[in-house]
Amino acid sequence: DAGVIQSPRHEVTEMGQEVTLRCKPISGHNSLFWYRQTMMRGLELLIYFNNNVPIDDSGMPEDRFSAKMPNASFSTLKIQPSEPRDSAVYFCASSSGPPPEQYFGPGTRLTVT
Amino acid sequence: DQQVKQNSPSLSVQEGRISILNCDYTNSMFDYFLWYKKYPAEGPTFLISISSIKDKNEDGRFTVFLNKSAKHLSLHIVPSQPGDSAVYFCAAKMGNQAGTALIFGKGTTLSVSS
Repeated sequence: DAGVIQSPRHEVTEMGQEVTLRCKPISGHNSLFWYRQTMMRGLELLIYFNNNVPIDDSGMPEDRFSAKMPNASFSTLKIQPSEPRDSAVYFCASSSGPPPEQYFGPGTRLTVT
Repeated sequence: DQQVKQNSPSLSVQEGRISILNCDYTNSMFDYFLWYKKYPAEGPTFLISISSIKDKNEDGRFTVFLNKSAKHLSLHIVPSQPGDSAVYFCAAKMGNQAGTALIFGKGTTLSVSS
């Protein structure tokens, strides 16, 4: 029974490059969440989808960030252009309920040099 | 403007003793609370939750207590084991439906020594 799958697990890129993070939620889950973890801000929500529709993107820091969910089994988070301050661990989580527990993927560690 | 606060960044406990992790919240609209555990290089793992209609929920060695009047919850681990050493996050949300966001505290690092 696969959990949430994220790829890549690690990404190192140069400032100005485009970065795409990928997520496959747990089958049957209809809500998907993107979080970012940094030392300064902890775990913060970037955007979430219900039934593939973006519900709240108020946590997306800038227009450089965009997210899509073209179908129930796949979502992407794109940063274009990337900057060093985007370096963080990005988590994807999915849920279905109630109950509302969210199940997290292993994360993508992004380093922008 | 942190809505969920974990004021102790770290906690050290001896194996076999009780670990108590605390969490405070400011938004009275929160009515569902969760604890997650996180090991290095892994995603957070759901541990236990509690609805605001209860004041206690127990699952094996883990018990969560909720004091709504004080806007405070705590996680008790008894007995503590070295494998419990991890970062523990408190989270809160409005409503028990799946499709709403979790607000996380910044975490408490628990170290259990043998």
